[in-house]
Amino acid sequence: GAGVSQSPSNKVTEKGKDVELRCDPISGHTALYWYRQSLGQGLEFLIYFQGNSAPDKSGLPSDRFSAERTGGSVSTLTIQRTQQEDSAVYLCAVSGSQNTEAFFGQGTRLTVV
Amino acid sequence: SQQGEEDPQALSIQEGENATMNCSYKTSINNLQWYRQNSGRGLVHLILIRSNEREKHSGRLRVTLDTSKKSSSLLITASRAADTASYFCATARSGGYQKVTFGTGTKLQVIP
Repeated sequence: GAGVSQSPSNKVTEKGKDVELRCDPISGHTALYWYRQSLGQGLEFLIYFQGNSAPDKSGLPSDRFSAERTGGSVSTLTIQRTQQEDSAVYLCAVSGSQNTEAFFGQGTRLTVV
Repeated sequence: SQQGEEDPQALSIQEGENATMNCSYKTSINNLQWYRQNSGRGLVHLILIRSNEREKHSGRLRVTLDTSKKSSSLLITASRAADTASYFCATARSGGYQKVTFGTGTKLQVIP
């Protein structure tokens, strides 16, 4: 919605492989979030970017997870040595500032087999 | 832990009835937002209420906020089958940067 593109839409990977998920938002949104949602569950916060810096990485589950953002725009979430429990939908959202709504991408459904 | 907790976790009603979902949160907030999710993919923003507001309307939606009780409710009036979805509340904490934290959601089923 509202110009947040996530790729790939679906990703099936073998256990132990690395994956890179991409979030490509429209410009002008300083805040960017990554969330994870397991089947039938709520949204689990992973990381928050303000511009290119990440003041809050507290939700990253382990050191296998990392994320970066460049140019205040595109962000990538990397999962190294994937495990089956990493299977989930990974959602990216952006917002402009406080008191504004967040716009979500359609997510990447990751399946680790 | 999740900042917001919605209840009920699941709600099933007949078309035409009203649906009420509640959200409780723990810390001081700048604003509270409600979102809708279809089919487990992207969320769509429904309504935002600021901490100094008590009630807000948008079409068939009515949101209330009680900061003293740290709770909010979402009322959908005259429900339709197309309202079937999961509904989430999200809070942006006051002070410092805005971090939007989501609750666990309410699954609403509207039976035609």
